Formats: sequence, structure tokens, C-alpha cells
Amino acid sequence: AQSVTQLGSHVSVSEGALVLLRCNYSSSVPPYLFWYVQYPNQGLQLLLKYTTGATLVKGINGFEAEFKKSETSFHLTKPSAHMSDAAEYFCALREDTGRRALTFGSGTRLQVQP
Amino acid sequence: NAGVTQTPKFQVLKTGQSMTLQCAQDMNHEYMSWYRQDPGMGLRLIHYSVGAGITDQGEVPNGYNVSRSTTEDFPLRLLSAAPSQTPVYFCASLDLAGNTIYFGEGSWLTVV
Repeated sequence: AQSVTQLGSHVSVSEGALVLLRCNYSSSVPPYLFWYVQYPNQGLQLLLKYTTGATLVKGINGFEAEFKKSETSFHLTKPSAHMSDAAEYFCALREDTGRRALTFGSGTRLQVQP
Repeated sequence: NAGVTQTPKFQVLKTGQSMTLQCAQDMNHEYMSWYRQDPGMGLRLIHYSVGAGITDQGEVPNGYNVSRSTTEDFPLRLLSAAPSQTPVYFCASLDLAGNTIYFGEGSWLTVV
């Protein structure tokens, strides 16, 4: 069965520091991988997605993620954190078979300190 | 979240009351799904549909029913509200060709 593990339910960084949010996955077939951001009391916004091709994926707001098959990882990074990046981030996986629904990680809450 | 309309956004229910969350999309997507989001647990799949007339259970289906009589609509029925059923609900549809998932804006329920 597919699964997504996000390491660290809370991450705190200083403004201007590197953001690194970790995501590991398990899948029996090549997965599609996604990162979503959720601000308090709001819906989900897609940051970026990996389907096929280039393993380094660039998204919105300066975020990027690298698909590493050998490590079954899809970590999210941003070189310099901004106060507006404070939110909850979800990694998700979709297999291209069967129900084609998403499996989500439990989320990482990012805090940005001034 | 253009294309997926989810209603209501907010609702107060009494314990034991039933209600239906509506979800509609106008993009002719075959795949649709309902998720619940509990604090600290991310989103979990309640039910999904792979086309009109075809539905199946996800990871947390107990207490919910769905139907898919048309491609456009995928309502979720909450059978008997309980204080534990106050997660946020999200409906989604999948553009398979574009590998894009469209989410509704969410429904926040309060059970009193």
C-alpha cells in the first residue's frame, strides 16, 4: 500500500534561513508527488508536483523539490524563508492506477521567526 | 479552486443530525473524491468515484454515504453527526490528462 511520511510535525526557521521540509514515500508503482500549502482556516494550494521527467521541480513562491527515487524522497526546500511562508505543508502521492486518489502525509507546520 | 464548487462552507449541526455536503464540477472529470482533515492527521480519503454510477470506499468511510448519479455531482452524506465528526471536508476532482487535482474550498462543520 502507498504511504507518505513527513518527518517533523513542526519546523521553525529564522526569516532568511533555508527551509527544508522532509517527505518520504512508499509506492509499488512510480508515483506522482505533490506538495500543498494550507494557511489557517483556508483550503489547499498546490505548490508543485512531480509527474515524470526532470527530477528537480520548481513551484510557486520560490519553493522547489527534488524527486530521489533511490531514497524514496521528495523534500521541499526554499533558500530563504519569508514570514509569509508560515503555514502547514502537506506532501501527497498519487498512483496512476485504481482509484487515483491522493494519499497525504500528516503535515508539517512551518514557523518563521523574525 | 476554479471548477469545483463545494457547499456549504460552514455549518452547525446538532448531535445525531444528518446532512449532505454538495460537490459539483463542470470540467467533465471522471475521478472525484472526498477527504476529511483532522488536526495533526493530514487528509484522509472517505469515498471516491471513478465515474457516474461507480463509487467505492476510502480509508475512513464509516458514517458516510456517497452517490454519483451524474459526472458533475458527488454529494457526501453525513449519516449522524457526532462531536468527533468536526474535521474539515474537502471534495476534489482529477483531470487525468493534465494530472491536476482540483479541490473545493472546504466545509467546516461544528457539531453541538
